[in-house]
Amino acid sequence: QVQLQESGPGLVKPSQTLSLTCTVSGGSISSGSYYWSWIRQPAGKGLEWIGRIYTSGSTNYNPSLKSRVTISVDTSKNQFSLKLSSVTAADTAVYYCAREGLLSGYFDYWGQGTLVTVSS
Amino acid sequence: SSELTQDPAVSVALGQTVRITCQGDSLRSYYASWYQQKPGQAPVLVIYGKNNRPSGIPDRFSGSSSGNTASLTITGAQAEDEADYYCNSRDSSGNHLGVVFGGGTKLTVL
Repeated sequence: QVQLQESGPGLVKPSQTLSLTCTVSGGSISSGSYYWSWIRQPAGKGLEWIGRIYTSGSTNYNPSLKSRVTISVDTSKNQFSLKLSSVTAADTAVYYCAREGLLSGYFDYWGQGTLVTVSS
Repeated sequence: SSELTQDPAVSVALGQTVRITCQGDSLRSYYASWYQQKPGQAPVLVIYGKNNRPSGIPDRFSGSSSGNTASLTITGAQAEDEADYYCNSRDSSGNHLGVVFGGGTKLTVL
């Protein structure tokens, strides 16, 4: 059973960089059949895809966030990470990591989510 | 980028059938996937592909698609089906590897 777990600071100051890590267990992040994605959800609102990474390190980002997002992978630790720079209160949300089918586009495993609040 | 449109709220009487829809141009090219999200929990995949259910999802959940509209049908809705439902697909508007989500539908079981 694949499990994903987000970790990182729950509070980030405005203009700083939000950094989160997703640790994958029960399966290898190096599997060639999946992308590894970040998705966020502001309180009371819908889901927003942030971006994804493939085991090779190839990335795709949401155009609306692309200038501020970096996703990286550490296959030796079975982890992938998110950095979002120049954050504002609008970036306050629950952040999820999820596994995405390479061809299918569906997200079959999700982390429990972690709330990140942007506030001074 | 593409957009997926969902009705904000739908209600159904206990034991009756309800259809939740998702509209968008990307659905002409890609199948929708559907997710159930209960308060304070992560989304759970309930339908993917043409009409596939992950292991553990009751068979009262089914999916269909026609043109630019995808539908999630719950046949014989149960109290535990009360939740938010989201659709998603790949983005077909020039960024074919992007992902779009619908705004979500809040399902109330009466």
